[in-house]
Amino acid sequence: DAGVIQSPRHEVTEMGQEVTLRCKPISGHNSLFWYRQTMMRGLELLIYFNNNVPIDDSGMPEDRFSAKMPNASFSTLKIQPSEPRDSAVYFCASSLLSGGANTGELFFGEGSRLTVL
Amino acid sequence: AQRVTQPEKLLSVFKGAPVELKCNYSYSGSPELFWYVQYSRQRLQLLLRHISRESIKGFTADLNKGETSFHLKKPFAQEEDSAMYYCALRLYNQGGKLIFGQGTELSVKP
Repeated sequence: DAGVIQSPRHEVTEMGQEVTLRCKPISGHNSLFWYRQTMMRGLELLIYFNNNVPIDDSGMPEDRFSAKMPNASFSTLKIQPSEPRDSAVYFCASSLLSGGANTGELFFGEGSRLTVL
Repeated sequence: AQRVTQPEKLLSVFKGAPVELKCNYSYSGSPELFWYVQYSRQRLQLLLRHISRESIKGFTADLNKGETSFHLKKPFAQEEDSAMYYCALRLYNQGGKLIFGQGTELSVKP
């Protein structure tokens, strides 16, 4: 298994543009997480899904951010419109549910580095 | 509120010196804690979890519920230990989601 796959690896865009980040979790994993990494705040959980259903999106900064998981093998994180303060590395991670909750070991993708000018 | 705190952004030590990366947590439930590590140009990965009580790459971490701490320790640091280290807390009462501290960058100098 190639692990969690994220695309694009790097994205440079201008303020106001729409950004879509993509994630393919590890096959068989049924829990998926989106994190944002910045120097100031470290790793922040944005949203996570169990069995393709959003469980907790309390970390999503504002309405400009949205995430979907249409099936077990694909998720997107969209920012519309993007702003310079959204510049960060966005990580996707997947995990296996056990007894209704994830086991705690997350497998991370390589991240998508977003720069909004 | 649930929270993980890593007070040091950067920790710099010489090779062979002991190292301790601090982690404190705030959680009303039964805590389950982890250390994740991100080496240069590699993915973030699990280093160890408190329930395993094992030593990985010479690192150990003991959960101290009285002090609400889960510090990561190694008696003799190696240059290859240089990396970003994140402490994480699993929230059982919120579907098992994992929250992370701000991270500590460990730099081991020759």
